[in-house]
Amino acid sequence: DAGVTQSPTHLIKTRGQQVTLRCSPKSGHDTVSWYQQALGQGPQFIFQYYEEEERQRGNFPDRFSGHQFPNYSSELNVNALLLGDSALYLCASSLGQGALTGELFFGEGSRLTVL
Amino acid sequence: AQKVTQAQTEISVVEKEDVTLDCVYETRDTTYYLFWYKQPPSGELVFLIRRNSFDEQNEISGRYSWNFQKSTSSFNFTITASQVVDSAVYFCALSVTSGSRLTFGEGTQLTVNP
Repeated sequence: DAGVTQSPTHLIKTRGQQVTLRCSPKSGHDTVSWYQQALGQGPQFIFQYYEEEERQRGNFPDRFSGHQFPNYSSELNVNALLLGDSALYLCASSLGQGALTGELFFGEGSRLTVL
Repeated sequence: AQKVTQAQTEISVVEKEDVTLDCVYETRDTTYYLFWYKQPPSGELVFLIRRNSFDEQNEISGRYSWNFQKSTSSFNFTITASQVVDSAVYFCALSVTSGSRLTFGEGTQLTVNP
């Protein structure tokens, strides 16, 4: 049973570029959330997708956008990259309302470095 | 707004010692959920426990135990007889909404030395 898979695992971009990160949820899960984890800090909630729509959003600018596909996989897009966007981006999947029905399952993350 | 504070940035112990990781939370909601996650060097967050605000019963799972006290807004985590494999960053987190929006603390880096 495959867990949450993310790609790419590492990538390097320069300021102003755009990046797309991908996530496949755990089998049977239909909800995907994205978190940003800066070095030495706790993860911060970016947004959640369910039924192909953004359901909740954290305090992130519109440069951060996402998408969920019919097979429940998801993409995180970040435009006009800033140095401060360098972080580990974590994808988490759950079945329905994650906090109520069970724990979130996290992937190993995509490490983004912006130069 | 919600807030989770893990005052201990780093803890270093010798194998077989007991260690307690502190977590203090802030929320005005009466219904909320508390979590502990472990983050090994590989990066993924591993779920350890979820506790809802109506259940203050302490829990023990093997060498792990959790002490939830609403009176002090604390949800502390104790590892008994620590092992080298316990070395990781541990995060306490809070959720007040249905869904997967968690507010994490800054984490505690636990190092268990042989």
